[in-house]
Amino acid sequence: DAKTTQPTSMDCAEGRAANLPCNHSTISGNEYVYWYRQIHSQGPQYIIHGLKNNETNEMASLIITEDRKSSTLILPHATLRDTAVYYCIVSDSGTYKYIFGTGTRLKVLA
Amino acid sequence: GAGVSQSPSNKVTEKGKDVELRCDPISGHTALYWYRQSLGQGLEFLIYFQGNSAPDKSGLPSDRFSAERTGGSVSTLTIQRTQQEDSAVYLCASSSYIRTDEAFFGQGTRLTVV
Repeated sequence: DAKTTQPTSMDCAEGRAANLPCNHSTISGNEYVYWYRQIHSQGPQYIIHGLKNNETNEMASLIITEDRKSSTLILPHATLRDTAVYYCIVSDSGTYKYIFGTGTRLKVLA
Repeated sequence: GAGVSQSPSNKVTEKGKDVELRCDPISGHTALYWYRQSLGQGLEFLIYFQGNSAPDKSGLPSDRFSAERTGGSVSTLTIQRTQQEDSAVYLCASSSYIRTDEAFFGQGTRLTVV
């Protein structure tokens, strides 16, 4: 079973920040938080991952709470092409066995 | 190639027939994974290869499923005596030895068993 809980769906206006929450209250000390997204009919795409510090890359920012029980993926300026299912996963670093839940279906509205 | 390539992209087969699904990982990637995704569901882990070895086959749903990898590159997932519940999108991913945290996924093979 997935170790994460995410809202089923969210809407976001184009150009606004999209904030996608994830709860992972049973995360253990050596587990990272990973985010992937899946655009319709494509394979999942890696976005970002982190352990306890906030992370930022060219795609997104990841904010992890101090107790590590939850995190938020931020797409700073959402575009229509960001419409996808976003998966939050917790797993040991470098592991292969990602357990994907059902994710959050983000719809960016024009 | 630039990305993970899977073939065929679509496969329709009759119940009871065997099918082979192929995955060409990114050149130089030592790790290769197979997942499947049923309609409206998340991804289900099937098997993992490191080089040509499969240290974890725990996700294979039954003994009708098998996979091999040769030359540390191409992998084939074989499903024998297909059943309707095998219908799904089968996804392959690979990652490098250096950046094991980022897995690159192929487009998948959509298998339909009729």
